[in-house]
Amino acid sequence: EAQVTQNPRYLITVTGKKLTVTCSQNMNHEYMSWYRQDPGLGLRQIYYSMNVEVTDKGDVPEGYKVSRKEKRNFPLILESPSPNQTSLYFCASRRTGNYGYTFGSGTRLTVV
Amino acid sequence: QQQVKQSPQSLIVQKGGISIINCAYENTAFDYFPWYQQFPGKGPALLIAIRPDVSEKKEGRFTISFNKSAKQFSLHIMDSQPGDSATYFCAASTTSGTYKYIFGTGTRLKVLA
Repeated sequence: EAQVTQNPRYLITVTGKKLTVTCSQNMNHEYMSWYRQDPGLGLRQIYYSMNVEVTDKGDVPEGYKVSRKEKRNFPLILESPSPNQTSLYFCASRRTGNYGYTFGSGTRLTVV
Repeated sequence: QQQVKQSPQSLIVQKGGISIINCAYENTAFDYFPWYQQFPGKGPALLIAIRPDVSEKKEGRFTISFNKSAKQFSLHIMDSQPGDSATYFCAASTTSGTYKYIFGTGTRLKVLA
């Protein structure tokens, strides 16, 4: 089944403890993106990648890091999480020339 | 200039009625306008999309109307059903040059049985 897989689905952590949210897609898509969803703010792009080793900032990149060492994987790293990063995170991917994203099921992160 | 403004924030419609959600953008470089549907506990799923060379696109009960001069586009759900109850997001994207893919703030639709 063609899909974007995120792990974990739920995560509670403490301020300052580094964490990684994994994202993997099995569709050989070139583009991958991370979004955060907050009530009243919609989906805001954190980082995106156009292909292996090519990443760029979205609209809200502060406090996040990403890497794209393999085409299928695009992990999101929070080096020192803070409570304002409590949110619902989505990974998404799409093929070059096809502009609709396929989204994962989301990761609900709580930072206390 | 990068915002996509979506309204209303929430919408209640009777079964069989028409649901209308509106979006407006400012950046004329946007040239792809999708709508996504999100059910609770799920990620958004692409519903329908339009390019600016057409004014309307219809897929089943879902229609996008696009007004290039006004920089507005809307989603119409005809014969709305309880199963359509979800959150809907519009988005706007560039397909060349500096890459941007911006979402609206979402509309929570409830269709009453």
